[in-house]
Amino acid sequence: EAGVTQFPSHSVIEKGQTVTLRCDPISGHDNLYWYRRVMGKEIKFLLHFVKESKQDESGMPNNRFLAERTGGTYSTLKVQPAELEDSGVYFCASSQETYEQYFGPGTRLTVT
Amino acid sequence: TQLLEQSPQFLSIQEGENLTVYCNSSSVFSSLQWYRQEPGEGPVLLVTVVTGGEVKKLKRLTFQFGDARKDSSLHITAAQPGDTGLYLCAGGDGGYQKVTFGIGTKLQVIP
Repeated sequence: EAGVTQFPSHSVIEKGQTVTLRCDPISGHDNLYWYRRVMGKEIKFLLHFVKESKQDESGMPNNRFLAERTGGTYSTLKVQPAELEDSGVYFCASSQETYEQYFGPGTRLTVT
Repeated sequence: TQLLEQSPQFLSIQEGENLTVYCNSSSVFSSLQWYRQEPGEGPVLLVTVVTGGEVKKLKRLTFQFGDARKDSSLHITAAQPGDTGLYLCAGGDGGYQKVTFGIGTKLQVIP
């Protein structure tokens, strides 16, 4: 069974540009989460989908971040326009049972 | 805002030594997870504890959830170089389990 996959693994963009991160959860997992780790800080929750619906988006930093989950399958996280403080590693996780979240390898985003 | 304080943040020990990592909060969590993360990879779940006072063992790793469900510890017996990595504690808030992470403990086991 394939794990959670994320694309791209690395992205370097200039301030003001747009970047879209993609997450493919484990097949059959209804719950999909996005997290972010900024250098030197904890991994922080961004939002949670149940199927295609946003269950909790309390961790989204601001309206430059837009997450979607088309058809309850893969999810995208768009940052537009990117700012320097958006740099970090973005993790996606999925779960079927509430306690066990399986994480992807992350996307390292660098905004210059 | 729930916070998890994890200590120590860095630990370098010799092979065969024992160690304990602590995770503390002023908040009650419905569950506590421990993850291990390797460079370039995402966190991998080691264990989940849900009952106050619960103790779980995974080979040489012993995990304990505090009676009040505000703290947890990870104890490694006879550490091996293969135990090297970043250990993260994370608390779940019930329901859909939005998880709050500690900053992590970077463990290095020297052969």
